[in-house]
Amino acid sequence: GAVVSQHPSRVICKSGTSVKIECRSLDFQATTMFWYRQFPKQSLMLMATSNEGSKATYEQGVEKDKFLINHASLTLSTLTVTSAHPEDSSFYICSARQGGSTGELFFGEGSRLTVL
Amino acid sequence: DAKTTQPPSMDCAEGRAANLPCNHSTISGNEYVYWYRQIHSQGPQYIIHGLKNNETNEMASLIITEDRKSSTLILPHATLRDTAVYYCIVRVERGGSNYKLTFGKGTLLTVNP
Repeated sequence: GAVVSQHPSRVICKSGTSVKIECRSLDFQATTMFWYRQFPKQSLMLMATSNEGSKATYEQGVEKDKFLINHASLTLSTLTVTSAHPEDSSFYICSARQGGSTGELFFGEGSRLTVL
Repeated sequence: DAKTTQPPSMDCAEGRAANLPCNHSTISGNEYVYWYRQIHSQGPQYIIHGLKNNETNEMASLIITEDRKSSTLILPHATLRDTAVYYCIVRVERGGSNYKLTFGKGTLLTVNP
């Protein structure tokens, strides 16, 4: 199947700093990528839909100024957690859709963020 | 959004078939049913999806009832590596070719030796 890669897989940062997470589709072009967040023992929560060349669409309750999404190319989307706080510590997962309206959604390995 | 209901947990003996049920009684006619699974601390893995007809691939079979209000994921010969949380998801169309997948709580399948 298609491969979606995230980097870094783990990151620890100090409170108040910003952290950038990259999501790449390695063997296909993805016009749409999705960012999810998962807290321990909970399900994945969709944060935003990232569209190549346009602004991201955020889900209700997700602060767009705190979670900056950039989808600059067909193979790369980035999520920047700005001014991170301990409550932002979570497992962030991206996914990318492989073409077409019935295209499957492939997920990255996830990035675990710990804010001290 | 169409909601799905799954049992929180299930057990299965290694080598036996695992049948995971899912109710999606509010599904619309053009909404697909997707199944993913997540092994601890990893990203979800795609398993299978379908609209109306039953589907089969190398991983599993998906049986969708005629009224489309429920479906069953079948792992024909479960192995210990199949222990994971299995998510049944109804794909929500957003217009054009856009859609989103909203995850529920899923079913924790434990395959026992």
